[in-house]
Amino acid sequence: AQSVTQPDIHITVSEGASLELRCNYSYGATPYLFWYVQSPGQGLQLLLKYFSGDTLVQGIKGFEAEFKRSQSSFNLRKPSVHWSDAAEYFCAVGAWGNQFYFGTGTSLTVIP
Amino acid sequence: DAGVTQSPTHLIKTRGQQVTLRCSPISGHKSVSWYQQVLGQGPQFIFQYYEKEERGRGNFPDRFSARQFPNYSSELNVNALLLGDSALYLCASSFFPSRQGFTDTQYFGPGTRLTVL
Repeated sequence: AQSVTQPDIHITVSEGASLELRCNYSYGATPYLFWYVQSPGQGLQLLLKYFSGDTLVQGIKGFEAEFKRSQSSFNLRKPSVHWSDAAEYFCAVGAWGNQFYFGTGTSLTVIP
Repeated sequence: DAGVTQSPTHLIKTRGQQVTLRCSPISGHKSVSWYQQVLGQGPQFIFQYYEKEERGRGNFPDRFSARQFPNYSSELNVNALLLGDSALYLCASSFFPSRQGFTDTQYFGPGTRLTVL
């Protein structure tokens, strides 16, 4: 069965520090992987996606993610976090029929 | 270009009532999906419609139904509301051309916050 695990419920980092959010997926076929960000009370904004090809993908707002098939992971990274990055981050796998499975999310707090 | 739009923004209903939520996809997108996001959780898939046909359904009771119109907009209906239906309901659209495979990027609207009292 398809599933996504985000092991870290909440992460706190200082502004300017690097960030890595973990995502592990379970899917029988080639995964289509996504990272979305959600600000309080808002919808989901697409940060980046992986369909095929280069395993390191670049997204908006300086984010990048690396697909590692051997580890079933798709971790999100940013070299220097800004206070405006504080939000909820969701990893998702796109399955057959365009049905997306989301993780439970990681809440990011940024300390000035 | 306009993104996905949803209406209403907020809605308060009482148990047993019925509710209809509306969604307009990005221009040119033919697929609409609905998700339920309970507070503190990730979105859960409810329905996917493509070219006015239901193409997928999540693990939700028959109280939940949806349809897609010729202009690709969509409605989600929930009957006999329960307290547990309180959530943010998200609509997502995608182009989803069949020649490109079975998964396409989904773009989400701002959601409708439903509160059931």
